[in-house]
Amino acid sequence: GDSVTQMEGPVTLSEEAFLTINCTYTATGYPSLFWYVQYPGEGLQLLLKATKADDKGSNKGFEATYRKETTSFHLEKGSVQVSDSAVYFCALSGQAGTALIFGKGTTLSVSS
Amino acid sequence: DAGVTQSPTHLIKTRGQQVTLRCSPKSGHDTVSWYQQALGQGPQFIFQYYEEEERQRGNFPDRFSGHQFPNYSSELNVNALLLGDSALYLCASSRISGRRSYNEQFFGPGTRLTVL
Repeated sequence: GDSVTQMEGPVTLSEEAFLTINCTYTATGYPSLFWYVQYPGEGLQLLLKATKADDKGSNKGFEATYRKETTSFHLEKGSVQVSDSAVYFCALSGQAGTALIFGKGTTLSVSS
Repeated sequence: DAGVTQSPTHLIKTRGQQVTLRCSPKSGHDTVSWYQQALGQGPQFIFQYYEEEERQRGNFPDRFSGHQFPNYSSELNVNALLLGDSALYLCASSRISGRRSYNEQFFGPGTRLTVL
């Protein structure tokens, strides 16, 4: 079945460092891909999405490109801030509005 | 515009009891999905409701059941609670009708269920 694998955490960075969180997926057809972020004690917030191959999702300085040839959707940010400390989840959806399948999450900790 | 709301925020139950969790979707949304998030894990899909019917179901036992009301709000019921049911239960809403770009799901803050 469909699945998402993302890099193990925690990831610890200093402020203004470059961030990459790897995500690869297994799916039939052409899934939509998402990155969600979960701040401590809160629910999940959609960070960015891409619905077809070569699409680039971006938001708040974060970017991810849908690479069908490598089945990847890596999250990047050029300069992280302390406020980016959170848990990041990569997810896919096989069809419009159907179940999201999540990775296990990657904890990011940014220090000043 | 109110987002997805869930109640209660926290709940403590004992093994064997039954629990009902509630969710109100974001305005304009017609679909509600429920997820279980165990500590340190990603959310796991339980089921999805659309037009008051279960549209899709994940790999959860029949002890987990749900309902959607005409106003699109939803309930998640869990019977015969087990210790392993302790988790954060997340509700997400979306809009299925319309363009494919409406497939993103918006999450509520969750209900933290503790089973003793």
